[in-house]
Amino acid sequence: ILNVEQSPQSLHVQEGDSTNFTCSFPSSNFYALHWYRWETAKSPEALFVMTLNGDEKKKGRISATLNTKEGYSYLYIKGSQPEDSATYLCALINYQLIWGAGTKLIIKP
Amino acid sequence: NAGVTQTPKFQVLKTGQSMTLQCAQDMNHEYMSWYRQDPGMGLRLIHYSVGAGITDQGEVPNGYNVSRSTTEDFPLRLLSAAPSQTSVYFCASRNQGYTDTQYFGPGTRLTVL
Repeated sequence: ILNVEQSPQSLHVQEGDSTNFTCSFPSSNFYALHWYRWETAKSPEALFVMTLNGDEKKKGRISATLNTKEGYSYLYIKGSQPEDSATYLCALINYQLIWGAGTKLIIKP
Repeated sequence: NAGVTQTPKFQVLKTGQSMTLQCAQDMNHEYMSWYRQDPGMGLRLIHYSVGAGITDQGEVPNGYNVSRSTTEDFPLRLLSAAPSQTSVYFCASRNQGYTDTQYFGPGTRLTVL
């Protein structure tokens, strides 16, 4: 059974600070890893899809890296803003999407 | 494009009642899925479909039925509602490629009394 783990479960960050969190997954038979952003009372929305070892993707102040050999991906947020408050989900694709439980990010003004 | 639509947005049921949550997508996606979201549990897959006429069970299928008679529609039926089914339900769709984005509906908040 494939298991995708995210840490930490929640994170409180001061506005303006940078932060990062982790998605861990089995390194064998890797196809792709998806990152989603999920704001309260909304639906998850796609951030990145990562496929190659060493991949780095960036969207504004948010970036992600991928290490398929050791089975992890980092999501970085630079200069956190209140609008970054959300749950960040990663999902491994293996026929179906296998979801992590998410990291809940709370930005303190 | 409307994307993925779900109805209703909110529903309150009594224990033992049945109902159908509707889901439709207009992106011609092959894959459709139903998830439930409970506090601290993330997204749990209930049922999914890889095309019209084909459905399969996910992680938590008990108490739910699905059918896929058309590419566009994927209704979720609660056979006899129980308080444990109180949750937020999301329908989602995507194409079959590994890098294809999954699109989510707005969710249905269900309370079973």
